Amino acid sequence: GAVVSQHPSWVICKSGTSVKIECRSLDFQATTMFWYRQFPKQSLMLMATSNEGSKATYEQGVEKDKFLINHASLTLSTLTVTSAHPEDSSFYICSARGRQTYNEQFFGPGTRLTVL
Amino acid sequence: AQSVTQLDSQVPVFEEAPVELRCNYSSSVSVYLFWYVQYPNQGLQLLLKYLSGSTLVESINGFEAEFNKSQTSFHLRKPSVHISDTAEYFCAVTPMDSSYKLIFGSGTRLLVRP
Repeated sequence: GAVVSQHPSWVICKSGTSVKIECRSLDFQATTMFWYRQFPKQSLMLMATSNEGSKATYEQGVEKDKFLINHASLTLSTLTVTSAHPEDSSFYICSARGRQTYNEQFFGPGTRLTVL
Repeated sequence: AQSVTQLDSQVPVFEEAPVELRCNYSSSVSVYLFWYVQYPNQGLQLLLKYLSGSTLVESINGFEAEFNKSQTSFHLRKPSVHISDTAEYFCAVTPMDSSYKLIFGSGTRLLVRP
């Protein structure tokens, strides 16, 4: 149980385009989802926290208009990287927390974004 | 605020040798503690966690960690490592507040050599 999926697993796009990444909790209801960014050989940096049905809370330094987060249902959150640039190339990982597992997050497999 | 320190960026060790990956944390409130493992180009997998109770926690694949409140540490140990244990290991804490945020250490790469 407690499986989180991400789609796509990797994506290559041109500079200036937008990319949407989906995060789904497959077998539980995710009351909270988190989006992280990981640069090569570095740790995970929390970008934002989203609760179902409400606006995401962004960490300091994360551009809200560039990284659009939507948490429309208890099983789906999306991260849209708008007007992507090469410096946005990174590994994006989501995690989800459910009511019964309130103190534990379950992680998706990650999405590798490469912006040319 | 919370912070997590993993002093060793890389730990090389021979197969079947014991290993310890160090983790120290700082927090003004009580925390839950976690160890995650990440294999190349994959997400994170929970290795073990301390929520309450016995300060020694174990995983199904032979790892263990001990919560030491006085030293604010949560070191990860394994008595005999395998080649397949080669991966990145992250220590993390969640404050016992309503944020449920995970604060990660910088990670330690365990490199097991034959």
